[in-house]
Amino acid sequence: QKEVEQDPGPLSVPEGAIVSLNCTYSNSAFQYFMWYRQYSRKGPELLMYTYSSGNKEDGRFTAQVDKSSKYISLFIRDSQPSDSATYLCAMSDNTDKLIFGTGTRLQVFP
Amino acid sequence: DTGVSQNPRHKITKRGQNVTFRCDPISEHNRLYWYRQTLGQGPEFLTYFQNEAQLEKSRLLSDRFSAERPKGSFSTLEIQRTEQGDSAMYLCASSQILGPFGETQYFGPGTRLLVL
Repeated sequence: QKEVEQDPGPLSVPEGAIVSLNCTYSNSAFQYFMWYRQYSRKGPELLMYTYSSGNKEDGRFTAQVDKSSKYISLFIRDSQPSDSATYLCAMSDNTDKLIFGTGTRLQVFP
Repeated sequence: DTGVSQNPRHKITKRGQNVTFRCDPISEHNRLYWYRQTLGQGPEFLTYFQNEAQLEKSRLLSDRFSAERPKGSFSTLEIQRTEQGDSAMYLCASSQILGPFGETQYFGPGTRLLVL
């Protein structure tokens, strides 16, 4: 079993929909949680960073961390075709290497 | 552009050849990471530096791989005697420590390696 599990998708939604992306993890020591967006053949781009449990909002993006359930989520409101990309969750137990999920491919169609 | 840069962006080589990649981090970042990403997978940690010191190496990093960061600035990743299984995207990231709140890693565009 991988330390971080993420549904690879693809997830296809119409423009304007609310998108929910999720990851589960097994290591209870993880306390730093990130979401990255990766366009095809590009490097990952940091979207959201959360320390410990709770919610964080940035524009159309909301990140949630539930450490008791070992479950993190990223919500995208009013999704746009430009949001079509692979979304990677990543986490760390201290201030060094990140453990990534496999990524969920999202397609937003007009 | 003050982001992380990587060169070359693409490399095609024949099995058995040596290749070297370069990463230039964001200037004020003292940590530099190397990851490898294969198709349909998330990046996997290879190694990282704090300033010029290499602090950790993954067991994925066989003895054919070597990384350096002279003077704590740019870093190079060399693969000797390449194998077809080395074909992947090699990603570099640099990071800024946020005190007790961890760090944020910023990735470069990657070097895509194809071993024939």
